[in-house]
Amino acid sequence: AQSVTQLDSHVSVSEGTPVLLRCNYSSSYSPSLFWYVQHPNKGLQLLLKYTSAATLVKGINGFEAEFKKSETSFHLTKPSAHMSDAAEYFCVVSGPGGYNKLIFGAGTRLAVHP
Amino acid sequence: GAGVSQSPSNKVTEKGKDVELRCDPISGHTALYWYRQSLGQGLEFLIYFQGNSAPDKSGLPSDRFSAERTGGSVSTLTIQRTQQEDSAVYLCASSPTPGADTQYFGPGTRLTVL
Repeated sequence: AQSVTQLDSHVSVSEGTPVLLRCNYSSSYSPSLFWYVQHPNKGLQLLLKYTSAATLVKGINGFEAEFKKSETSFHLTKPSAHMSDAAEYFCVVSGPGGYNKLIFGAGTRLAVHP
Repeated sequence: GAGVSQSPSNKVTEKGKDVELRCDPISGHTALYWYRQSLGQGLEFLIYFQGNSAPDKSGLPSDRFSAERTGGSVSTLTIQRTQQEDSAVYLCASSPTPGADTQYFGPGTRLTVL
């Protein structure tokens, strides 16, 4: 069975400092992994995805994530936080079957302080 | 181009009433998904449609929930005899082809059952 664990429910950083949002996954096969962001009262937006190509994945808005099979991790990072990054972030793994039923982590709420 | 749209954006209903939630996927997308986002359960898969194939209903929480997709485009999620625990944001997503990695999400319908 597939599952996703986001290790922090809340993360708070100062503007201009690095961001690290942690995610561990469990999968019985080679998964596709995603990070989605949800701003208040907005829909989910794809930040980046890993689909068995390069292990370091670059996404939008300066975010990137590294797939580490040995650690079953897919942590999201950004070198310098911006106020507009404040949102909820979801780590997601694709489910079984040929259509990518998505299995979501519980989410990490990122706060960015001036 | 136009994204996934959902209506209504907010719905307040009384316990025991039936509700219908609508999703308009991105034009040409063959796959359509419904998810539910609630405080207690996070984001959960509900149902998946692909073309004329039988839908995957494995995520529907009870037989009070049903969905249809007419003409391979618009989808309606129906909840009969609503209960307070049905209160949640219902999200629709579409993807261009079966097994496509990226799902594009609509803004959701916030359902409140009094």
